Amino acid sequence: DTAVSQTPKYLVTQMGNDKSIKCEQNLGHDTMYWYKQDSKKFLKIMFSYNNKELIINETVPNRFSPKSPDKAHLNLHINSLELGDSAVYFCASSQAVGGANEQFFGPGTRLTVL
Amino acid sequence: DAKTTQPTSMDCAEGRAANLPCNHSTISGNEYVYWYRQIHSQGPQYIIHGLKNNETNEMASLIITEDRKSSTLILPHATLRDTAVYYCIVRAAGGGADGLTFGKGTHLIIQP
Repeated sequence: DTAVSQTPKYLVTQMGNDKSIKCEQNLGHDTMYWYKQDSKKFLKIMFSYNNKELIINETVPNRFSPKSPDKAHLNLHINSLELGDSAVYFCASSQAVGGANEQFFGPGTRLTVL
Repeated sequence: DAKTTQPTSMDCAEGRAANLPCNHSTISGNEYVYWYRQIHSQGPQYIIHGLKNNETNEMASLIITEDRKSSTLILPHATLRDTAVYYCIVRAAGGGADGLTFGKGTHLIIQP
């Protein structure tokens, strides 16, 4: 069974569109994250949620809106897509905020904005 | 979180031990050393972490110097599937809210 899953794996869309990426974890973890990996391969934290509540928002434009319907899901909705949003987006989860807790990453969603 | 310094790339022969160094001279007393790796086109994968003592698991060993200013990740018998970018990250015990801060990592290439 996949621990952290994301859908879709690939997403190609036009500028200005609105799209969502879904993430689910079956590990029973309390905390979930979204990371962005750009074309230069830098991996950066975007958001983290603990028990459905937003903990951090790393200066991400408000066009990006994470939504956590329950502890096992953290979806990422992006409005008015721009060319610079093209990247690979990774979801991750961990047992709890803080402590020496490793994060488990999903396979990534490659977003291409044309 | 403390900054880390790693070589940009390294080669290792298949079947030999791969030793990946990391400098973290500004590490604080409550910061752990974590290692993750990212195989091409996959999500990052946790390998191992430690605070002071050396650690070993089924994937690797982590050797931390006594002053904690540097560490070495050891893959005892490298295989072609170990080709990946390896990230050394230092992170406070209570720093989970900030997520992981990834640097450029070391691109380890296992040669057949």
